[in-house]
Amino acid sequence: DTEVTQTPKHLVMGMTNKKSLKCEQHMGHRAMYWYKQKAKKPPELMFVYSYEKLSINESVPSRFSPECPNSSLLNLHLHALQPEDSALYLCASSFHTSRIDYGYTFGSGTRLTVV
Amino acid sequence: DAKTTQPPSMDCAEGRAANLPCNHSTISGNEYVYWYRQIHSQGPQYIIHGLKNNETNEMASLIITEDRKSSTLILPHATLRDTAVYYCIVRVGWGNAGNMLTFGGGTRLMVKP
Repeated sequence: DTEVTQTPKHLVMGMTNKKSLKCEQHMGHRAMYWYKQKAKKPPELMFVYSYEKLSINESVPSRFSPECPNSSLLNLHLHALQPEDSALYLCASSFHTSRIDYGYTFGSGTRLTVV
Repeated sequence: DAKTTQPPSMDCAEGRAANLPCNHSTISGNEYVYWYRQIHSQGPQYIIHGLKNNETNEMASLIITEDRKSSTLILPHATLRDTAVYYCIVRVGWGNAGNMLTFGGGTRLMVKP
């Protein structure tokens, strides 16, 4: 298995809703990442997990709450989002955070619309 | 980290070679050059990387100048499916946990019939 699987592919949520994005990989990667991508912009790093521990939070608002329950799963819990949070949310994984010469593997993303 | 400069857009005729340039004049000796691409509505895809020697794989070739201040990604026979945004990124290959992959503006390549 050489893929990163993200679910759902599309999500529409109201500003008072609570929802979760899910990411899964079975490549034995021990680093996982969340990126946010607005239309016609490059992806921006949000969070980094290394060996199931949060190692980097790029000053992301607390309405985004990441979770890494095991080495294969990464969740992003969403609560009280704003319309400007509408974006493509990308999950990625790599062998380690300290070695990226093997590259990152990205999922296809979840397209989130906040209404 | 070294910054990169890429043209915002390029066109290429189908079947011809696409040559995508990248300037990274402040690159350090231990920084690699990576190329990723993002096809519309998909996640970025790793293409190739190199340190100082030219590299080739089944997708592309990477030509790095001798002074390492610039590089060119070559898609030898571009197809319509190569239409995408191509990102050139320089990063240390080995390092501490803060060594993340950061994307710049990229080049939007349009392959035309």
